[in-house]
Amino acid sequence: AQSVTQLDSHVSVSEGTPVLLRCNYSSSYSPSLFWYVQHPNKGLQLLLKYTSAATLVKGINGFEAEFKKSETSFHLTKPSAHMSDAAEYFCVVSSGTYKYIFGTGTRLKVLA
Amino acid sequence: EPEVTQTPSHQVTQMGQEVILRCVPISNHLYFYWYRQILGQKVEFLVSFYNNEISEKSEIFDDQFSVERPDGSNFTLKIRSTKLEDSAMYFCATNPVGTDTQYFGPGTRLTVL
Repeated sequence: AQSVTQLDSHVSVSEGTPVLLRCNYSSSYSPSLFWYVQHPNKGLQLLLKYTSAATLVKGINGFEAEFKKSETSFHLTKPSAHMSDAAEYFCVVSSGTYKYIFGTGTRLKVLA
Repeated sequence: EPEVTQTPSHQVTQMGQEVILRCVPISNHLYFYWYRQILGQKVEFLVSFYNNEISEKSEIFDDQFSVERPDGSNFTLKIRSTKLEDSAMYFCATNPVGTDTQYFGPGTRLTVL
């Protein structure tokens, strides 16, 4: 069975400093992995997706994630945080039947 | 850019009442899903729908829930007799054939009093 674990429920960074949001996955086969962002009172927006074409995936708004099979990780990073990055971030694995399995989310706070 | 839309954005209902949440998928998408997010909790899968039938459902999706595509465009989630614990944000999502990337609507916030 597939699952994802987001290791931090809350992350605080200062504006202009790097962001690291951690995600570990469990899958019995090569998974599709996603990061979605949810701004307050908004829907879920796709940041990026891994599908085995390349281990380093670039997404929107300067985010990227690296798939590491040996560590079963798919951490999300950004070199320099912006105030507008403050949101909830979800790591997601797609099951073989297409349904999404969500992590518990990481709330990112960006301090001025 | 095409978007998934959902109506209403917010629904308030009394316990025991029926509610219908509506979703308009992106036009060439054939897979449809409902997820819910109880306040402060993670997003949970409810049901997937393809070719006019349920493909998969979670244990949450009991006999109180039903889905249909009544007119070939809307995709609806009906809760027959709402309970307090049904209060949540309900998201519709869709994807086209050939990809597992889902596109989410803005959600309907259901409040059961």
